[in-house]
Amino acid sequence: RKEVEQDPGPFNVPEGATVAFNCTYSNSASQSFFWYRQDCRKEPKLLMSVYSSGNEDGRFTAQLNRASQYISLLIRDSKLSDSATYLCVVNVDYGQNFVFGPGTRLSVLP
Amino acid sequence: DGGITQSPKYLFRKEGQNVTLSCEQNLNHDAMYWYRQDPGQGLRLIYYSQIVNDFQKGDIAEGYSVSREKKESFPLTVTSAQKNPTAFYLCASSTPGQGGTEAFFGQGTRLTVV
Repeated sequence: RKEVEQDPGPFNVPEGATVAFNCTYSNSASQSFFWYRQDCRKEPKLLMSVYSSGNEDGRFTAQLNRASQYISLLIRDSKLSDSATYLCVVNVDYGQNFVFGPGTRLSVLP
Repeated sequence: DGGITQSPKYLFRKEGQNVTLSCEQNLNHDAMYWYRQDPGQGLRLIYYSQIVNDFQKGDIAEGYSVSREKKESFPLTVTSAQKNPTAFYLCASSTPGQGGTEAFFGQGTRLTVV
C-alpha cells in the first residue's frame, strides 16, 4: 500500500462547481498535513496546511480525520484559475520527511 | 526577498556525463531536500539533509550524490550510474519542528539526456 493515496482523477468540472478531493495516509504516526497546488511544469506551492479542527481559507476548506487517516480538500465556486494538480502531503517527523501523494488533476471548464 | 534558487532551469546532458544541479536558499532553513518528478507522477525523495555536513538517502538515491557543506547550499550530482536521469528535479527546504512547518520549493531544473 502506498504511503499517501489520492483520488486518481482527472476531475473536469464547470466553473462555479464544488469539487472535493480525498486523500488517505498509511502511517498513523503522521504529524502534519498539507495541500499543495502544482501548475503544469512548475514547482508545488503550499495551498494550505490542514489542522485537526479543520480550516477554511476563502473558497477552500480542508479537513483531517486522524482516526480514519483521511484528509479532504473542498473547493467551492470553482474558477478557471483553479485548474492545476493538487498534492496531498504528509509529514511524519515534524520536518524529517515530506511524503507526497501522486496528485489529483483538476480542470475547470468555461 | 527570501527563497530557494535552483539553477540551471534547463539542463542537457550527454550519456555518461555527471552533472551537478545547484540549490541555494536564504530562508535560514535547517532541512533541505531533493525530489525527482517524472511526467504524470508524484514527487519521489532522492536525498535530504537535516543539518550541515549530514545527509540521508531517500527512496531513490542510487545514481545520485549530494553534499551539505553550507547551510544555504545543497547541490545534487546526477552521476553516470543513474540509468534514467531525464526528469524534473525539485529542491525544497523547511524548518523542522512542531507546528507543521511546510516545505518551500525552488522553481526546479528540467534535466534531459541527449
